[in-house]
Amino acid sequence: QKEVEQDPGPLSVPEGAIVSLNCTYSNSAFQYFMWYRQYSRKGPELLMYTYSSGNKEDGRFTAQVDKSSKYISLFIRDSQPSDSATYLCAMSSSTDSWGKFQFGAGTQVVVTP
Amino acid sequence: EAGVTQFPSHSVIEKGQTVTLRCDPISGHDNLYWYRRVMGKEIKFLLHFVKESKQDESGMPNNRFLAERTGGTYSTLKVQPAELEDSGVYFCASSPRLASNEQFFGPGTRLTVL
Repeated sequence: QKEVEQDPGPLSVPEGAIVSLNCTYSNSAFQYFMWYRQYSRKGPELLMYTYSSGNKEDGRFTAQVDKSSKYISLFIRDSQPSDSATYLCAMSSSTDSWGKFQFGAGTQVVVTP
Repeated sequence: EAGVTQFPSHSVIEKGQTVTLRCDPISGHDNLYWYRRVMGKEIKFLLHFVKESKQDESGMPNNRFLAERTGGTYSTLKVQPAELEDSGVYFCASSPRLASNEQFFGPGTRLTVL
C-alpha cells in the first residue's frame, strides 16, 4: 500500500467551477502537508503549506487537513484555464529527516473555457 | 532572483553509459534535495544535502548513483552505469533553512536510457 494515495484524474471542470482535490495517507506521523502545482515540462511549484489539522486560505485556494481521517483537500474557487495543471500533494513527518517529502502521484486538472 | 536550475534538460543515453546531472540551487540555500519520478509513479525522495554534507541519502536506489555537492554550492548526480529502469525525470529542489518545508523545485532533467 502506498503511503500517499491521490486520484490521477484527469479532472475536467468548466471555467468558474470549484476544483476539489484530495489525498489520503496511511502514516499517522505526517504533520506537514503541502500542495504543489506542476505545469507540463516544469518543476513543481509550492501552492499551499499547512501544519497539522485545520484550514488555510490563500486567495482562490483553500487547503484542509483532517488528521483524524488522514485526509487532505485542496479547493480552487473560480477556476481559470490557467489553473490547468497537475496538482501534487506532499507530506512529511517530524520523525523523518526534514524535507523528506512523500508525494502523491498527482491529479491532472483541466479547466475548459 | 534566479530559481533552481538544472542541466541538461534532457539526456538520452544507452544502457551501460554514464550520465551526470547538475543542479544549481537558489543562491544562499544550504539545503539541496534530489528527487526522481519514473513513468507513472510518484515523485520519490533520493537524498538531502545540508551545505556539502549528506543529511539523508536513504532514497538512493543503489550504488550506481553518486551525488556530490563540493563546496556546498551546486550538486551533481552521477549514474554509472545507467540501466533502463533509471529512466525518468530527476528533480532538484532547494530550501533556505533546515527546519523548513518550503522547497523550490527546478524544472527537472528528463533521462532516457535506451
